[in-house]
Amino acid sequence: EVQLVESGGVLVQPGGSLRLSCAASGFNFGTYGMHWVRQAPGKGLEWISYITASRDSIHYVDSVEGRFTISRDNARNSLFLQMSSLRDEDTAVYYCARDVGSGRRSFDNWGQGTLVTVSS
Amino acid sequence: VVLTQSPATLSLSPGERATLSCRASQSVSSYLAWYQQKPDQAPRLLIYDASNRAAGIPARFSGSGSGTDFTLTISSLEPEDFAVYYCQQCYNWPLTFGPGTKVDIQ
Repeated sequence: EVQLVESGGVLVQPGGSLRLSCAASGFNFGTYGMHWVRQAPGKGLEWISYITASRDSIHYVDSVEGRFTISRDNARNSLFLQMSSLRDEDTAVYYCARDVGSGRRSFDNWGQGTLVTVSS
Repeated sequence: VVLTQSPATLSLSPGERATLSCRASQSVSSYLAWYQQKPDQAPRLLIYDASNRAAGIPARFSGSGSGTDFTLTISSLEPEDFAVYYCQQCYNWPLTFGPGTKVDIQ
């Protein structure tokens, strides 16, 4: 069974930094691209970043480019999101999601999410 | 690519047919997916590549369309189908979602 478990979400002050983790199990993690998707309270879904299986290609949405960094450790079956210069509008549930594969760029398995709250 | 979904809310009864629309601001070919999200749950992939059902998705869910106009159809609503549905374009970066259609019980 595919499992994705996010962690690291906390209350942080504006301008602060945070690192989210996603632990993967039940599949060959090192062969799948992975995404981060977020959802602000009561709002819709927003894709924010993607990394290929081999880490040779990375993409971000403009609103986080230069502030967030996606990375992965295939030996530890883990995905990360380093977040810095956090803003109020970064408050959201952050989901890690597995790419369907074959370049499809849709998400076939999701974690339960971790809540990041940016507030003073 | 900006995605627009209509209607914003669809009020139907169990057993009825639901037709949800997603329109893209430019062609996305067939690179479109649909998700279902229930309160306090992660989204679930229903359809990818516009018309392919994801693993384990019941046959009452079907997707159609290409280019800029897409449709998700639920042939006969079950009680567990009342939820919010999002479309997502997979054509280019950044990947984007529509604002969602809420299907609620009439």
